[in-house]
Amino acid sequence: GQQVMQIPQYQHVQEGEDFTTYCNSSTTLSNIQWYKQRPGGHPVFLIQLVKSGEVKKQKRLTFQFGEAKKNSSLHITATQTTDVGTYFCAGRPAGRRALTFGSGTRLQVQP
Amino acid sequence: DGGITQSPKYLFRKEGQNVTLSCEQNLNHDAMYWYRQDPGQGLRLIYYSQIVNDFQKGDIAEGYSVSREKKESFPLTVTSAQKNPTAFYLCASSFDAGIHRTSGANVLTFGAGSRLTVL
Repeated sequence: GQQVMQIPQYQHVQEGEDFTTYCNSSTTLSNIQWYKQRPGGHPVFLIQLVKSGEVKKQKRLTFQFGEAKKNSSLHITATQTTDVGTYFCAGRPAGRRALTFGSGTRLQVQP
Repeated sequence: DGGITQSPKYLFRKEGQNVTLSCEQNLNHDAMYWYRQDPGQGLRLIYYSQIVNDFQKGDIAEGYSVSREKKESFPLTVTSAQKNPTAFYLCASSFDAGIHRTSGANVLTFGAGSRLTVL
């Protein structure tokens, strides 16, 4: 079954508001990746986190990897309409070669 | 330009028919993957291949088959045994299947997808 869970499933915000999506795994992950899928498109890689407690930033996006390497978060500051899409986390549980994707969080931004 | 090409983009199939989805990459990637995406859901792994002439089942392999005769190609056949085949199918590739955890070698590049509808 699904080993990587994401919440919330959907979030609707006003432009300028902040947004956060959370990713939780039942097992320790060797690394965590984040992807963005625009409506009608395909997932595109955003970032990879490897170290326990790691924090990375990309402009208005902040990514964190938990100390236990079982959870991660993506925070967007001051959302814009270009942020619309579904954000997926993906991790590789121990003993597994291929990535397992979370269920995704769909972000809608109202102008 | 390097990338992954999936075809066809849209496909309609009658119940009981097999259908093959094409996936070709010119990125010189060793590993290739097939994911299935249902509306409002995440990506579920069907099959993956780390090297030519080798592939492994993912979480939902039943009713699907693959081959990896060439490094560049990883076609997926949706057989009549797949009970609910209507979905969006995504092919992806990476330099490897995640052996080197600190490198970007297991970052996935996706194709544009194939949308299969069973009539």
